[in-house]
This record gives sequence, C-alpha cells and structure tokens, in this order.
Amino acid sequence: DTGVSQDPRHKITKRGQNVTFRCDPISEHNRLYWYRQTLGQGPEFLTYFQNEAQLEKSRLLSDRFSAERPKGSFSTLEIQRTEQGDSAMYLCASRAAGDGYTFGSGTRLTVV
Amino acid sequence: GESVGLHLPTLSVQEGDNSIINCAYSNSASDYFIWYKQESGKGPQFIIDIRSNMDKRQGQRVTVLLNKTVKHLSLQIAATQPGDSAVYFCAERDDKIIFGKGTRLHILP
Repeated sequence: DTGVSQDPRHKITKRGQNVTFRCDPISEHNRLYWYRQTLGQGPEFLTYFQNEAQLEKSRLLSDRFSAERPKGSFSTLEIQRTEQGDSAMYLCASRAAGDGYTFGSGTRLTVV
Repeated sequence: GESVGLHLPTLSVQEGDNSIINCAYSNSASDYFIWYKQESGKGPQFIIDIRSNMDKRQGQRVTVLLNKTVKHLSLQIAATQPGDSAVYFCAERDDKIIFGKGTRLHILP
C-alpha cells in the first residue's frame, strides 16, 4: 500500500482519558501534516513536520495536544485529558517537496 | 486575512447535467488553489489545481476557473455522475492547505 495510513480508524474514549493516533506517511514524503475536521466543516490545520522537525503549530493545538515524528517517518498525535469538544476526524497528510498532498482516511474520535 | 469559503453548503444536480461549485477567497496574495473531493469516511482527494497566473485549467470532466479580479474560483463537473456525490472543498495552499467549508453535491436520478 503506497498511501497514507492512519490508525486506528475509529476511537471511542471517555472524557478525561488520553488517546494517541498514528500516521504512516508515504515513505519518500518528508512533510507530514495533521488536520482536524468537525462535522460539516473543512479540515483545519493543526501542525506539520518536515522530517522530524515540527515547523508550525496552529492556535488550535492546545497544550493538551502533542505531536511527534521522532525518526522523520511515522507521526503520533496525542490528546491528553480528552474533552467532548475534541470529538472530530483527525486527518494526516504527507507530501514531498513540490508534490501534491496525499491524505489518509482519518481517525474518527468520539469522546463520551 | 486568509480565508477560503464556498457560496453554498448544498447543491443538487440532475444526473447527466453539469455541476458548478463556487468558491470565494479573500487573500489576494494567494497564488495556488486546489479543489478536493471528500467522500463519506474518507480523506480529501485531489481533483485539480490552478496557479494564479492562469484563469482556466481543464482535467478529465472537470474545469477550474479562476477570476482574480473578484477573487472567485469555480469547479465545473461535466455530465455529473452518481459517483460525483461528495463534499467539495476549495483550498488555498502555501506551506499548508487552508480549506473552506465545503459544498455537498447531491446527484438526482
């Protein structure tokens, strides 16, 4: 499979719990992006990496959110002390310089 | 500021007719625009892009028009098919993609 892979596809968690999502980009893509999408809205930018360096973080990325890409390959997005407002689809995308973006199918988070 | 938006949240089109989905943007410095299609349960899928030095670009059954004077972008889909049912987003790109809210396209039989 040469696409962007996200795991898990669905996650249901209780409010206050921590969750972690994983994204495996296309192997030769050095840039990796995280987006959040709520129902009826377009995806909103959260953060992006070039190789292992996190280059930009959105104001949406509160201190409960942390993203890593330790070896410049896969990335994880962790949400601590989840709140109901965190319920959304979390999308990952990757690209190589000069190329277009490829999105994964997302992780749908439901906080109950 | 940066913002990309669509005029209509929903558009219903008869199968076989042409669809036109519109988008307005506010950042006059934007130089690259993309249209994405998102089907239920999937991530956005690239359809077509256009740079600001162009006013029209055609793909297979799709055409994107860019009017920089009024900061307007449109996506035309020819001979709309049931498989075209999805939410369509216009987006602006610099280091990251900035999406609008989307138009849901319904295909009527």
